[in-house]
Amino acid sequence: SQQGEEDPQALSIQEGENATMNCSYKTSINNLQWYRQNSGRGLVHLILIRSNEREKHSGRLRVTLDTSKKSSSLLITASRAADTASYFCATGEDSGNTPLVFGKGTRLSVIA
Amino acid sequence: DTAVSQTPKYLVTQMGNDKSIKCEQNLGHDTMYWYKQDSKKFLKIMFSYNNKELIINETVPNRFSPKSPDKAHLNLHINSLELGDSAVYFCASSQGFSVLLNEQFFGPGTRLTVL
Repeated sequence: SQQGEEDPQALSIQEGENATMNCSYKTSINNLQWYRQNSGRGLVHLILIRSNEREKHSGRLRVTLDTSKKSSSLLITASRAADTASYFCATGEDSGNTPLVFGKGTRLSVIA
Repeated sequence: DTAVSQTPKYLVTQMGNDKSIKCEQNLGHDTMYWYKQDSKKFLKIMFSYNNKELIINETVPNRFSPKSPDKAHLNLHINSLELGDSAVYFCASSQGFSVLLNEQFFGPGTRLTVL
């Protein structure tokens, strides 16, 4: 399967700094999605980037996609303590008929 | 207005028991899912239903039986619970099955502990 893998597994930064998380995957995709999971809660969709897009912004979030390297990055600018959560990438295959496959997540801690 | 709700939030039970987890979505979505998240936070799909029809059944023991009485509900029944079933179970829904469509909306999770 084309399981996404996030890197790093854990990241700790000071409030106000930028946080960058990476995701690598193995096969052709139609789109790649990023989700956030706060402790003890369900996943919340953040952003979807399609295979023909290279960059997408949403508020303080910036996602890039490099299909030649089969990788994506999620940048959170001017981080806040409330950004502390686990971040998962999920990939959808080209056929569109298979389920999303989630990576293992990056645990982000933003220290006030 | 809770979009995807699950009950119960916590479930503690003995090995060998049978238990059910309920899920409801009020988003008008056609597709619903059950995921299992283990202690290492790895999220793995178990089942997916589209318009009450089972479309994904990953390698899950047949002790797990999903039931979808209508498009808005997808319940998970687990027979003969084992220690390894301890995990957080998430229900999710999406507008349609194809990943070409939009994102998935997750419920708050049910933490199952088997003693």
